[in-house]
Amino acid sequence: NAGVTQTPKFRVLKTGQSMTLLCAQDMNHEYMYWYRQDPGMGLRLIHYSVGEGTTAKGEVPDGYNVSRLKKQNFLLGLESAAPSQTSVYFCASSPREAGSYEQYFGPGTRLTVT
Amino acid sequence: AQKVTQAQTEISVVEKEDVTLDCVYETRDTTYYLFWYKQPPSGELVFLIRRNSFDEQNEISGRYSWNFQKSTSSFNFTITASQVVDSAVYFCALSVNQGGKLIFGQGTELSVKP
Repeated sequence: NAGVTQTPKFRVLKTGQSMTLLCAQDMNHEYMYWYRQDPGMGLRLIHYSVGEGTTAKGEVPDGYNVSRLKKQNFLLGLESAAPSQTSVYFCASSPREAGSYEQYFGPGTRLTVT
Repeated sequence: AQKVTQAQTEISVVEKEDVTLDCVYETRDTTYYLFWYKQPPSGELVFLIRRNSFDEQNEISGRYSWNFQKSTSSFNFTITASQVVDSAVYFCALSVNQGGKLIFGQGTELSVKP
């Protein structure tokens, strides 16, 4: 099993460009999450999904959109990138709510917006 | 509202010293879960432990131990006889089963010098 994978690992964008980050998990998990990590702030939840076809907002959703068309994939989109979105993005999955089980994290995507 | 505070931003110790990482949480929920994750310099997030609010037993796993005290809303992590490989950022996190969201503390960067 590959676990949770993220594509790409690194990306540099110019302000105003768009991009999609792909998260894939092969553990048949229901729940999937997108977090961003910024220095001194820990990880903050952007969006999450409790099942195929469902999405919900987290703590910092502005400027991002997500889709969960297939159970194994969770896409994070930036329609018009801003320098404030420079961050490390982590995807995670869980067989149930995080309280019941641990979340399994991907390796992260380092995004720089210039 | 829920909140996790890790007041120690950075800790530096010499190998073989014992070190305790503090975690204080806030929630009004009676059912919640607490986690510790390790983020080594390579960047991935490694799950260490999960504890539910009804289980106040301390836990020991090798050189790692955790002290959960509901009376002080704390979930502290102690590394005994620290090693250079313990150098990492450690995150404490809280979940109250609202869609599985994890609320992270700011993280404590531990540096173990030889």
